Amino acid sequence: GQQLNQSPQSMFIQEGEDVSMNCTSSSIFNTWLWYKQEPGEGPVLLIALYKAGELTSNGRLTAQFGITRKDSFLNISASIPSDVGIYFCAGQLGYGGSQGNLIFGKGTKLSVKP
Amino acid sequence: DGGITQSPKYLFRKEGQNVTLSCEQNLNHDAMYWYRQDPGQGLRLIYYSQIVNDFQKGDIAEGYSVSREKKESFPLTVTSAQKNPTAFYLCASSMPQGIWAGADYNEQFFGPGTRLTVL
Repeated sequence: GQQLNQSPQSMFIQEGEDVSMNCTSSSIFNTWLWYKQEPGEGPVLLIALYKAGELTSNGRLTAQFGITRKDSFLNISASIPSDVGIYFCAGQLGYGGSQGNLIFGKGTKLSVKP
Repeated sequence: DGGITQSPKYLFRKEGQNVTLSCEQNLNHDAMYWYRQDPGQGLRLIYYSQIVNDFQKGDIAEGYSVSREKKESFPLTVTSAQKNPTAFYLCASSMPQGIWAGADYNEQFFGPGTRLTVL
């Protein structure tokens, strides 16, 4: 099936540093979503993007829908210890039926050193 | 207090037994989903249901079964035919949003998960 390439797989950063991660695909997506998952919990939706070129912020988080519609980026500014977790991207190829289902990347595991 | 609940949080099963995982939502969402998560992997779709009394196989449906008799409930049964059932199972729901020119945006909201271990 379709796959999303998410990178990096893991990051070890110092508190206060900025973080960047991205997802790419060979397919064009209509929607990009970013989730955060903490250990033993379900993913929580952080940001949803609907249009190519769209830039959306949620506090210290900023995500962009790539112009080619084949990629998306998530940035976290001034990281803090509670940012620790796994960040997943998800893309929606189309609308309705199986095309409307989400395809998930394998996640970026973020560790923050105080 | 609207949300998605899954029970139990932890489940242990002996080989050869069927087990059923519960998923309930009070968000009035039409669509519900079951995913399987293995360490270091993304979420893989098992089954989904876009409306009551209808459901479709996802990418890894073999060894699993579901029902959707009520809008609020979408239980998943892990059968003895599933060869490697130990995993973290996540349920999600969504309501098509922002319908515009026929577009349905699929923002999915997840439950807390059930960790299944086969002994």
